[in-house]
Amino acid sequence: QVHLVESGGGLVKAGGSLRLSCAASGFTFSDYYMSWIRQAPGKGLQWVSYITGVDTVYYAGSVKGRFTISRDNAKNSLFLQMNSLRAEDTAVYYCARAERHGRTSSWSYFDYWGQGALVTVSS
Amino acid sequence: QSVLTQPPSVSGAPGQRVTISCAGSSSNIGAGFDVHWYQQIPGKAPQLLIYVNTNRPSGVPDRISGSKSGTSASLAITGLQAEDEADYYCQSYDNSLNDWVFGGGTTLTVL
Repeated sequence: QVHLVESGGGLVKAGGSLRLSCAASGFTFSDYYMSWIRQAPGKGLQWVSYITGVDTVYYAGSVKGRFTISRDNAKNSLFLQMNSLRAEDTAVYYCARAERHGRTSSWSYFDYWGQGALVTVSS
Repeated sequence: QSVLTQPPSVSGAPGQRVTISCAGSSSNIGAGFDVHWYQQIPGKAPQLLIYVNTNRPSGVPDRISGSKSGTSASLAITGLQAEDEADYYCQSYDNSLNDWVFGGGTTLTVL
């Protein structure tokens, strides 16, 4: 079955960097678009970034220019490089598989989620 | 402030029916983008509950249903059970922000 496992979370000082990884199994990774979604403590879900199968990428305005999403289809892995971290980036970061039901990536929902990786940015 | 607006909380007694609303605008739900719903049990990752407005993934009971009309959508749960206590989120796409957007979430309490 589909399995997504995040790693790389931790405590970092404001201005620092962190790289999250997501190991995927149970499906043909290269066939699917993928996304990162985060949840600040006690708050709701916030979409962060999205990558297509051919490396077209999208970012939420709050992370654009600081975060970089990438994938390695040979290793069934998704990554999120986070630079210039701020206290407001503190959250659990989920890796999620995007299922498209239309012509473009806009028509996506997230059918499988990892267990999440906690990122804490201290000010 | 979330782009999609949900009530912060709803409650109902076991066996009752509850609905959770998700209000959008002309740049997301009203633009024709579909609505999807997720259930999150505290301390756990979100799980897909309803996709493309009305469809249930395998394993989701048919007492859970979704609908969409105009600029809003709703999630209905009938025959409430204790296991339904969770947070619920709606999700769509906004072509003004060019973002995938979520509602602020609704906490369902089974009395």
